[in-house]
Amino acid sequence: AQSVAQPEDQVNVAEGNPLTVKCTYSVSGNPYLFWYVQYPNRGLQFLLKYITGDNLVKGSYGFEAEFNKSQTSFHLKKPSALVSDSALYFCAVRDGNRGSSNTGKLIFGQGTTLQVKP
Amino acid sequence: DGGITQSPKYLFRKEGQNVTLSCEQNLNHDAMYWYRQDPGQGLRLIYYSQIVNDFQKGDIAEGYSVSREKKESFPLTVTSAQKNPTAFYLCASSLNPGTGGLYQPQHFGDGTRLSIL
Repeated sequence: AQSVAQPEDQVNVAEGNPLTVKCTYSVSGNPYLFWYVQYPNRGLQFLLKYITGDNLVKGSYGFEAEFNKSQTSFHLKKPSALVSDSALYFCAVRDGNRGSSNTGKLIFGQGTTLQVKP
Repeated sequence: DGGITQSPKYLFRKEGQNVTLSCEQNLNHDAMYWYRQDPGQGLRLIYYSQIVNDFQKGDIAEGYSVSREKKESFPLTVTSAQKNPTAFYLCASSLNPGTGGLYQPQHFGDGTRLSIL
């Protein structure tokens, strides 16, 4: 069964410092991985994805994520945090096998609240 | 601008009442999804539809119903059988996973917050 774990409920970081939000996954086939951000009372906004290729993927607002197959991880990173980055972040995985039984369902982690302090 | 519109933004349900949440998209996406979000539990899939006039139960379908009569619309009804309906409901859409949409993210509306009166 597919699953996603975000081991930290909350991450606190000072503005200007680097940030990391952790994500590990379990999927039977090739993983397609996504990061989303959610601001209060809003929907989820897509940040970046890993499908194949370079393990370091770059996305919106200066975020990047590193895919590590051996550790089954896809951690979200940013070199210098902004107060405006404070939000709820979700990691999600989809099984990339192209068989007819694949419904393409996304499985989400529980979310990690990022708090960036001035 | 293309996007997903959910309405209303806030909704209150009385005891024994059914309520319907609206979701409309103009992204020309085949697939649509309904999620329930509770604090600390992430998003849980209620129902999804990959094509008009067809839909499947997700992980927590009990107490909910949907229809998919038009490509653009995927309304969710929260029935009186759903005993704990208080939550934030999110609608999403994407290209059909069976025809290339596996690589693409889902796009989300801004949600409806449902509470019990």
